[in-house]
Amino acid sequence: NAGVTQTPKFRVLKTGQSMTLLCAQDMNHEYMYWYRQDPGMGLRLIHYSVGEGTTAKGEVPDGYNVSRLKKQNFLLGLESAAPSQTSVYFCASSSEGPAGANVLTFGAGSRLTVL
Amino acid sequence: AQSVTQLGSHVSVSEGALVLLRCNYSSSVPPYLFWYVQYPNQGLQLLLKYTSAATLVKGINGFEAEFKKSETSFHLTKPSAHMSDAAEYFCEGNTPLVFGKGTRLSVIA
Repeated sequence: NAGVTQTPKFRVLKTGQSMTLLCAQDMNHEYMYWYRQDPGMGLRLIHYSVGEGTTAKGEVPDGYNVSRLKKQNFLLGLESAAPSQTSVYFCASSSEGPAGANVLTFGAGSRLTVL
Repeated sequence: AQSVTQLGSHVSVSEGALVLLRCNYSSSVPPYLFWYVQYPNQGLQLLLKYTSAATLVKGINGFEAEFKKSETSFHLTKPSAHMSDAAEYFCEGNTPLVFGKGTRLSVIA
């Protein structure tokens, strides 16, 4: 039972490069989320999805794009990476929506460094 | 929109001592509240959740939290700290998916 799988686990980019983080879940969850974690800032929501084909902005969406073409996958893209995007990125999924008693299942994280 | 505030970015306790991690929420409606734990280099795991069924909620690893509406609090406690409890703890309110900034718990032998 894999749960939520994030790839890659580590990545180093140069400023201006692009990349995509992949999140895959095998629990048939409708809702998926991308967070970034920075020291002293806790987790901040970047984007989320309430179902296949839908996405919505979270607290810190600038500089990121997302897509949910398949229910089990949620992609986070950086079109032109900046040093401020150096962070640990977490994907999560849930069976209930943001307004419900939704328990989040998290991936192990993807550590991104932008030089 | 709801917000949660965790008081204290770092808490240090002796092994065997009481653990108290504080979380206050602001909301005009009864919230759903959660505590998650993050061990080093791992994702977050659910410790416990409050969904209005009971004000005292028991979670995994001996942790519990009490919802107090009059104090808008949802503090996390454990009677006796163990070395394995050293981790970062996050309080979360789900409207809309707001996490506190986290409290790092250190346990001293």
